[in-house]
Amino acid sequence: GAVVSQHPSWVICKSGTSVKIECRSLDFQATTMFWYRQFPKQSLMLMATSNEGSKATYEQGVEKDKFLINHASLTLSTLTVTSAHPEDSSFYICSAPNYRTGSRGNTEAFFGQGTRLTVV
Amino acid sequence: SQQGEEDPQALSIQEGENATMNCSYKTSINNLQWYRQNSGRGLVHLILIRSNEREKHSGRLRVTLDTSKKSSSLLITASRAADTASYFCATVPFGNEKLTFGTGTRLTIIP
Repeated sequence: GAVVSQHPSWVICKSGTSVKIECRSLDFQATTMFWYRQFPKQSLMLMATSNEGSKATYEQGVEKDKFLINHASLTLSTLTVTSAHPEDSSFYICSAPNYRTGSRGNTEAFFGQGTRLTVV
Repeated sequence: SQQGEEDPQALSIQEGENATMNCSYKTSINNLQWYRQNSGRGLVHLILIRSNEREKHSGRLRVTLDTSKKSSSLLITASRAADTASYFCATVPFGNEKLTFGTGTRLTIIP
């Protein structure tokens, strides 16, 4: 199956600093990627849709200036948590649909391994 | 926002038994997908069932979909210890490709 690689798998940062998380599609092109946030023992909440070559689309309640998304190429999307605070501590996961396996809206999503962010 | 609920929230069974998880959702869908998540890891796609399908099989997995009741079930037969994980259903509406996840079921297989 298709592979999506997310890096780093975990990061600890000081409050007030920024953290960048990378999401790469290794063997397919991903014009669209999705970023999720997951709290312990809870479900995934969609944060934003990352679109190659255009601005990301954020879900209601997600601060654009707080969670900067850049989809610079067909295989890379980055999520930067700016001026991180302890409440930003969470598990962040990216995913990308592989349209070779199905049409848009009818294809499985491939997920990265997730990034555990801890802000101290 | 979350599309729906999964039931049960947690399930513990003996190895070799069958496990059934249910998912209910609220709005019309294009398809429904099931994913597995091992603790602290990303999600792995299990199966996709389209709105015009009623049942689908993949190995030990059997998924049903009842669009009139807005519900789906995932059956894992002959469970194994390696099946221990959280299982999520996710819906995709028409004209969209966003996945909206259910609340998840934590499955524990007791060896």
